[in-house]
Amino acid sequence: AQSVSQHNHHVILSEAASLELGCNYSYGGTVNLFWYVQYPGQHLQLLLKYFSGDPLVKGIKGFEAEFIKSKFSFNLRKPSVQWSDTAEYFCAVNTNAGKSTFGDGTTLTVKP
Amino acid sequence: GAGVSQSPSNKVTEKGKDVELRCDPISGHTALYWYRQRLGQGLEFLIYFQGNSAPDKSGLPSDRFSAERTGESVSTLTIQRTQQEDSAVYLCASGRGDYNEQFFGPGTRLTVL
Repeated sequence: AQSVSQHNHHVILSEAASLELGCNYSYGGTVNLFWYVQYPGQHLQLLLKYFSGDPLVKGIKGFEAEFIKSKFSFNLRKPSVQWSDTAEYFCAVNTNAGKSTFGDGTTLTVKP
Repeated sequence: GAGVSQSPSNKVTEKGKDVELRCDPISGHTALYWYRQRLGQGLEFLIYFQGNSAPDKSGLPSDRFSAERTGESVSTLTIQRTQQEDSAVYLCASGRGDYNEQFFGPGTRLTVL
């Protein structure tokens, strides 16, 4: 069975600090990888996705993620966070069977 | 265009009662997912519909839970004989296909007293 592990449950940063949120998955086949974000009071929405090609993908609001196949990882990064990045971040994996598995989420708090 | 909608937004019920939650996906989306999110926890997969294929029900926690979808439109999640541990936010998402991103609704917050 596939699984997704997010290493950090709660991250607290000051504005302008760099961010890296870890995500590892376990599944032997082809996967599509996603990061979703849920801002306070809003729906879950897509931040970025990886299907194939360049393993470094860029998303909205200056976020990027790197797929490292050998490490089964898809870590999310941002060079300089802003207060408005305060949100909950979820890593997710879709397999060719359609089933979608989410990590437990990481709550990011950015202090102004 | 309209996004995914869910109703009701909030539901308070008594233990032992049945509840029905509704999801209206984005028009044209063949894939539809239901998730459960308990307070402070991640998304727990419940069920997945893809077109006319048999749904993947592997995430349903017990036989008290069931879901239906009419074609590629509305879906309902039914919880029979609700228990307090069923209290959670139930999220619906739709998408264009197996691999694609999901578009989430606002969720239904279910409270079982």
